[in-house]
Amino acid sequence: NAGVTQTPKFQVLKTGQSMTLQCAQDMNHEYMSWYRQDPGMGLRLIHYSVGAGITDQGEVPNGYNVSRSTTEDFPLRLLSAAPSQTSVYFCASSSILAGETQYFGPGTRLLVL
Amino acid sequence: AQSVSQHNHHVILSEAASLELGCNYSYGGTVNLFWYVQYPGQHLQLLLKYFSGDPLVKGIKGFEAEFIKSKFSFNLRKPSVQWSDTAEYFCAVEEGNNDMRFGAGTRLTVKP
Repeated sequence: NAGVTQTPKFQVLKTGQSMTLQCAQDMNHEYMSWYRQDPGMGLRLIHYSVGAGITDQGEVPNGYNVSRSTTEDFPLRLLSAAPSQTSVYFCASSSILAGETQYFGPGTRLLVL
Repeated sequence: AQSVSQHNHHVILSEAASLELGCNYSYGGTVNLFWYVQYPGQHLQLLLKYFSGDPLVKGIKGFEAEFIKSKFSFNLRKPSVQWSDTAEYFCAVEEGNNDMRFGAGTRLTVKP
């Protein structure tokens, strides 16, 4: 199993540009989530999904959209990037069958100029 | 909304010293508790977790944590740290609705 994969690893955007952060998992986990990690703030939940076709907002959803058309994929979209979205983004997945342990991807480092 | 507090932002220890990292949360209901570690240049890994049962939980690499319900705490401990334990440690609390909250993290530096 590849586990949780994220692309790209690094990205630089200009203010106002849009992009999609990709996340995929091959463990058939029903639960997937996106976090951002900022110094002194820890990890904050952006959006999560409990299954295909179902998404919900987390702690800091503004400026981000998600969709869950398949069990495997959970892309995170920035429609109009802002410097405040400069961060490291982690995708995670988990399953009740896996004891609800969250498996994290390697992260995407995003810089918005 | 619940919050998770990690009291120490940066801890510096010498090898073989004992470690205790504090974690407190505000939610009064049933929670699942986790400690994650992020080694330099790597992504998050699970150290240990508590769902129910014995409040003293043993994890990987000699780490353990104790859940004290009356104090809303889940402190991480290790009797003797090594240089390779240098990392950032995150406490996390999950409510029943899948909403997981992380502490701000504690950076541990172990001097050889």
